[in-house]
Amino acid sequence: DIQMTQSPSSLSASVGDRVTITCRASQSISRYLNWYQQKPGKAPKLLIYTASNLQSGVPSRFSGSGSGTDFTLTISSLQPEDFAIYFCQQSYSTPLTFGGGTKVEIK
Amino acid sequence: QVQLQESGPGLVKPSETLSLTCTVSGGSISGYYWSWIRQPPGKGLEWIGYIYYSGSTKYNPSLKSRVTISVDTSKNQFSLRLSSVTAADTAVYYCAKEGSADWLDPWGQGTLVTVSS
Repeated sequence: DIQMTQSPSSLSASVGDRVTITCRASQSISRYLNWYQQKPGKAPKLLIYTASNLQSGVPSRFSGSGSGTDFTLTISSLQPEDFAIYFCQQSYSTPLTFGGGTKVEIK
Repeated sequence: QVQLQESGPGLVKPSETLSLTCTVSGGSISGYYWSWIRQPPGKGLEWIGYIYYSGSTKYNPSLKSRVTISVDTSKNQFSLRLSSVTAADTAVYYCAKEGSADWLDPWGQGTLVTVSS
């Protein structure tokens, strides 16, 4: 199985801050990396697919980059509604696997 | 747009079989892959497996011996069966549609299944 490691596991930030979350794969996954946002009691919501493609309806302050083993999710200017848990997921091979999550909290 | 809704018992006894159904509305189940994912309370996400509308399946090896996913195209539904459950199978179970490169979107709202006597 491909292991996905996210860092940090949690962070505190203020509204307006630029936030960066990283995800590392245990082997190369090309650009088969997806990002999700999950709020309490809700299902995950797709933000970014295949590393850098913004899902329809997702604000442009979210962006993704990377290839191979190292990937980044960036929120350019954190908004109140962005406080949530973020997960990465590799879709290079089955079993599909997820990172452990990054909790973005209010400073 | 496509919406998914999980249904099934919220409480299952140890050693019994967990059975859930995902109903797809707003679009056809045909032509796509459909997944089950679970999330134990307060923990991360685990992919259980997927089914193609034609019936072909792929399961997570960690659960393969206990999992069956099936599809009923006439009802626009797909289902999950997980046998010999234990407390470790207590989780929120989600169904989701797979994109062309196996991203997951959209997801159902999820259903909590508790394994307890």
